[in-house]
Amino acid sequence: GESVGLHLPTLSVQEGDNSIINCAYSNSASDYFIWYKQESGKGPQFIIDIRSNMDKRQGQRVTVLLNKTVKHLSLQIAATQPGDSAVYFCAQGAQKLVFGQGTRLTINP
Amino acid sequence: DVKVTQSSRYLVKRTGEKVFLECVQDMDHENMFWYRQDPGLGLRLIYFSYDVKMKEKGDIPEGYSVSREKKERFSLILESASTNQTSMYLCASSTRLGGYTFGSGTRLTVV
Repeated sequence: GESVGLHLPTLSVQEGDNSIINCAYSNSASDYFIWYKQESGKGPQFIIDIRSNMDKRQGQRVTVLLNKTVKHLSLQIAATQPGDSAVYFCAQGAQKLVFGQGTRLTINP
Repeated sequence: DVKVTQSSRYLVKRTGEKVFLECVQDMDHENMFWYRQDPGLGLRLIYFSYDVKMKEKGDIPEGYSVSREKKERFSLILESASTNQTSMYLCASSTRLGGYTFGSGTRLTVV
């Protein structure tokens, strides 16, 4: 079956540094990938998505990279801020999403 | 502001009780989903619905049922609550092309 996994359950970075959160997936037929951010006590919020016909997409301070050869997805956050502290999930699919387990990002002052 | 609203943020129920978790969306989305979220296990899909009165089992449907009588409302039912159903429950809705929006979650404790 499909699976999505994140490489690290936790990640700690210094404020102002760049953060990179990684994700691996198993279903090569999937053509849609999404990153979500979940702050404490809230539901997951959409950050950025990418389709399989692209290998990079940029948003405001965030970039998603897709490497279909090795089935790897990453989220880069530039100039990490305290407000970026959250759990980050990758997901694949379209109508029905399969989620990874999440990486908790902690920002050190 | 578009929304998915879950009726309760926190619930405490006794073992054996019948529990209803309600979810309403105001975006006219076709699809609705119920997930549970547990530490170390991520989000796991319980049930989903692509249309009114339609339902499909997700990855962990055992012990749950759902009801979708109106497009905007998707209810999750625990017929006889058990302690292993203590969890965070998340509702989401989406269009047929994707674009998930999540509710804030209901933290259910079964004692």
